[in-house]
Amino acid sequence: DIQMTQSPSTLSASVGDRVTITCRASQSISTWLAWYQQKPGKAPQLLIYKASSLEGGVPSTFSGSGSGTEFTLTISSLQPDDFATYYCQQYSSYPYTFGQGTKLEIK
Amino acid sequence: EVQLVASGGGLVQPGGSLRLSCVGSGFTFDNYAMSWVRQAPGKGLEWVSAISGRGGSRYYADSMKGRFTISRDNSKSTLYLQMNSLRAEDTALYYCARDTVGITDFAFDIWGQGTMVTVSS
Repeated sequence: DIQMTQSPSTLSASVGDRVTITCRASQSISTWLAWYQQKPGKAPQLLIYKASSLEGGVPSTFSGSGSGTEFTLTISSLQPDDFATYYCQQYSSYPYTFGQGTKLEIK
Repeated sequence: EVQLVASGGGLVQPGGSLRLSCVGSGFTFDNYAMSWVRQAPGKGLEWVSAISGRGGSRYYADSMKGRFTISRDNSKSTLYLQMNSLRAEDTALYYCARDTVGITDFAFDIWGQGTMVTVSS
């Protein structure tokens, strides 16, 4: 199975900050990587697919990059609505696997 | 509107069984693979199982193999998860999700609201 390791587990930042979350795969997944945002009590919401493609309706302050085993999610200027938990997911092969999550908190 | 509505969760004793359902609407259901993803209270997301659009291929996480069975009835636009031999560690919110692999490859673009399964005596 492909293991996904996210870092950091928790990130404290302020409105307007630029933040980066990293996701590493235990083997190459090409660009079969998605990022999701989850707010308390809500279902996850797709942000980024194929490592760098922005889902429709997602603000352009979000961006993704990477291929192979190293990936990043960047938020260029944090907005109040962005404080949530973020997960990466590989969908290169079954069993699909998620990273353990990064909780983005207000500093 | 494209949506998924999950149901069937509840309280069940250890060793018991439960069947979850997920009804899709607003899209051609049998064009899409579907997955179940679960989230234990206060924990992260865990992929559970997937099934291809026509139902011919099924996949499971190792910890669910032999206990859970995924199926679908495309005439009813409904996805199912039959869960047997339930354990306390299966307690979680179970989400269904539309899997776009092989169509748009957008990963899981639509999620249901989740249905809670609690395994306890």
